[in-house]
Amino acid sequence: DQQVKQNSPSLSVQEGRISILNCDYTNSMFDYFLWYKKYPAEGPTFLISISSIKDKNEDGRFTVFLNKSAKHLSLHIVPSQPGDSAVYFCAASGDSGGYQKVTFGTGTKLQVIP
Amino acid sequence: ETGVTQSPTHLIKTRGQQVTLRCSSQSGHNTVSWYQQALGQGPQFIFQYYREEENGRGNFPPRFSGLQFPNYSSELNVNALELDDSALYLCASSLASGRKEQYFGPGTRLTVT
Repeated sequence: DQQVKQNSPSLSVQEGRISILNCDYTNSMFDYFLWYKKYPAEGPTFLISISSIKDKNEDGRFTVFLNKSAKHLSLHIVPSQPGDSAVYFCAASGDSGGYQKVTFGTGTKLQVIP
Repeated sequence: ETGVTQSPTHLIKTRGQQVTLRCSSQSGHNTVSWYQQALGQGPQFIFQYYREEENGRGNFPPRFSGLQFPNYSSELNVNALELDDSALYLCASSLASGRKEQYFGPGTRLTVT
């Protein structure tokens, strides 16, 4: 049962344009959402997060939008840069009997073309 | 500030053997989680340790076990290795309270033949 889904395995975007990465979830108990970026041979690196009480969080070129009614979140990168090329994981967190369990999606590989 | 480190980087084992993977948490972090990432998949939660006690576990059999030490370093032990255990194993540390983001190590690539 995949509770966090990233339906686009890959995405190609021209440098300077907007990258939009999407994520859907099924569990209403999730109350915190995170995006991680992963380069080859490295562990995932935290990028940005959003609490379920908000619908938008912005940090520089990165903005995360949350639509709770649709159980959907998206990550916008503007403008996209070649260094943004990586695999992006969406993750959702919720209380699971006394601890915060984090569930990851399968990732979207972003390629930013110079 | 020291980041999360893991050892070894790569490991090759034979089916049926046992393996121990090690992790050193980021300074000041008292919670460590272990994940298994199969090829083309996202990280799958194995278990979490807080103050040397396992306080959460994913859908992994008992042959996956762990330890957390007083200095917050951690081990993942896997007994009776199976071919499907071949994966990247990630360790992540975090604070039990406050911000919820985790800090990941580079992982250990385990190959079971």
